[in-house]
Amino acid sequence: DTAVSQTPKYLVTQMGNDKSIKCEQNLGHDTMYWYKQDSKKFLKIMFSYNNKELIINETVPNRFSPKSPDKAHLNLHINSLELGDSAVYFCASSQDWDTGELFFGEGSRLTVL
Amino acid sequence: QKEVEQNSGPLSVPEGAIASLNCTYSDRGSQSFFWYRQYSGKSPELIMSIYSNGDKEDGRFTAQLNKASQYVSLLIRDSQPSDSATYLCAVKLKAAGNKLTFGGGTRVLVKP
Repeated sequence: DTAVSQTPKYLVTQMGNDKSIKCEQNLGHDTMYWYKQDSKKFLKIMFSYNNKELIINETVPNRFSPKSPDKAHLNLHINSLELGDSAVYFCASSQDWDTGELFFGEGSRLTVL
Repeated sequence: QKEVEQNSGPLSVPEGAIASLNCTYSDRGSQSFFWYRQYSGKSPELIMSIYSNGDKEDGRFTAQLNKASQYVSLLIRDSQPSDSATYLCAVKLKAAGNKLTFGGGTRVLVKP
């Protein structure tokens, strides 16, 4: 039973389209994250939610909108996709907002053509 | 200076040898430090956390922390080909509101 699961694992889409990635964790954790890993393998935080409340909102284009319907789920919606959005997007969770011990999902590889 | 800096490698190590990875960070007030391992095409997984100066051992892995010099290192003893991966250093940077900030990773290749 996967602890942090993301869907879909792969997305290939055209510029200008809108896409969503879903994430679910069954660890009972309070905090969830979206990270982006670009082609140079740099892992950068985008958003974090603690008990459904947004606590980290990095400087990302407002085409990216996270949503947390409950503390076990965190979704990411991206509008008007651009070539530079191509990356691997990782969802992660942690027991609470203060720890750095994160559990990552398998990643969703987004390719924008 | 980057907030969390690592040599990108690759660090080539013969099987059975010790792999030594270093990481420096910019914020002297940081208190929590982590090493993650990421196999090619996979997600990062936590292998070590360290909070106090000195050494912390877990199996073949030893993390070393020196807050005065602002570096944290990871030693992998008796390196195995299965240790070939990218190792990411992560720091909860106080100056960045305690956000977990990752270095660019060091790629390790263990050759049989």
